Amino acid sequence: DTAVSQTPKYLVTQMGNDKSIKCEQNLGHDTMYWYKQDSKKFLKIMFSYNNKELIINETVPNRFSPKSPDKAHLNLHINSLELGDSAVYFCASSQETSFTDTQYFGPGTRLTVL
Amino acid sequence: RKEVEQDPGPFNVPEGATVAFNCTYSNSASQSFFWYRQDCRKEPKLLMSVYSSGNEDGRFTAQLNRASQYISLLIRDSKLSDSATYLCVVNEENSGAGSYQLTFGKGTKLSVIP
Repeated sequence: DTAVSQTPKYLVTQMGNDKSIKCEQNLGHDTMYWYKQDSKKFLKIMFSYNNKELIINETVPNRFSPKSPDKAHLNLHINSLELGDSAVYFCASSQETSFTDTQYFGPGTRLTVL
Repeated sequence: RKEVEQDPGPFNVPEGATVAFNCTYSNSASQSFFWYRQDCRKEPKLLMSVYSSGNEDGRFTAQLNRASQYISLLIRDSKLSDSATYLCVVNEENSGAGSYQLTFGKGTKLSVIP
């Protein structure tokens, strides 16, 4: 059973389009995250939600809007896609947002903007 | 600015070799430390946590020096399956907000050669 799953795995789209990436975790964790890994492989946090509440919102364009319908799901909607949005987006979850918690990552969504 | 710096790599070593990775972090208030492993086109996975007293897990030994803000990972008797990118990760509190976030280094690529 997949602990953290993301859909789609690959996403190829044109500039200016709006797209969504979905994430689900079946671990019963309270906290979920979105990370972006760019072409230089640098992994950087974008958002974090704890029990459906936003707790981390790094400097990310407001074209990116996370939505958490329940604590098992954290979706990422991106408006007006730009070339620079091309990256791999990883969802992750942890039991809590404490300094000892292990984060479990989803398989990633490879987004290519043409 | 919070930063995690790692050896740039890549490290190309023969099977059976011992290899060491180093990492420094800038935030002296960092709470906990980890090594994650990321295989090519896969998600990061926790390899091991790093404790001040040093800890060992089979062929892997991690060390933390809080005074120097330095973390290391030693891999003994390298196997082909150790080939991956190793990410140094620091868990930091968000400016007294009571939440924590992971800051990732850019990773060091290891290739173990037959």
